[in-house]
Amino acid sequence: QKEVEQNSGPLSVPEGAIASLNCTYSDRVSQSFFWYRQYSGKSPELIMSIYSNGDKEDGRFTAQLNKASQYVSLLIRDSQPSDSATYLCAVNGDDSWGKFQFGAGTQVVVTP
Amino acid sequence: DAMVIQNPRYQVTQFGKPVTLSCSQTLNHNVMYWYQQKSSQAPKLLFHYYDKDFNNEADTPDNFQSRRPNTSFCFLDIRSPGLGDAAMYLCATSRGTGSSYNEQFFGPGTRLTVL
Repeated sequence: QKEVEQNSGPLSVPEGAIASLNCTYSDRVSQSFFWYRQYSGKSPELIMSIYSNGDKEDGRFTAQLNKASQYVSLLIRDSQPSDSATYLCAVNGDDSWGKFQFGAGTQVVVTP
Repeated sequence: DAMVIQNPRYQVTQFGKPVTLSCSQTLNHNVMYWYQQKSSQAPKLLFHYYDKDFNNEADTPDNFQSRRPNTSFCFLDIRSPGLGDAAMYLCATSRGTGSSYNEQFFGPGTRLTVL
């Protein structure tokens, strides 16, 4: 059973601070990794994709991938109240077509 | 703007009354997906199309069917909705399934209520 695990939270972060979210996955051959943001009652929105070990930065977001340790993380710098949402980690394996395995999500609450 | 559109946004149906949800995309993506998401759970893949090739997940109930008449449109048919089928139904698209082509973009979803 391929699994993607995230801490469900809620992760409470003061406004302006860094939010750090972690995701671990069990399928060692996974090749593609994604972070989605999902506001309550809305659909997931892609915020980051990462395919190679190391860091990838996009604005206030940084994704970090370590395939040897089988984890991917997301940092949100200068957290804003609008960042309050559930963040879903998705992992795409190296099977026949690469089905996404989603984690259950981490709820982030940014407090003013 | 290129996008994924779902209609209706909210659907109320009666127990056992067939319902059809639609998805269209202007991204010209090859792959279209249908997911079911219940409250506080991860999206669950029901099936996907790569072009006209249909791929059903092993645990998708027979009550759920799909059609993709052309590149732009995909439909989800629920033949006899049960109370357990109440959920958000998400359509997503991607250019392909290999690395760097497999980013999935979601539509706004259809919230299904079964009375």
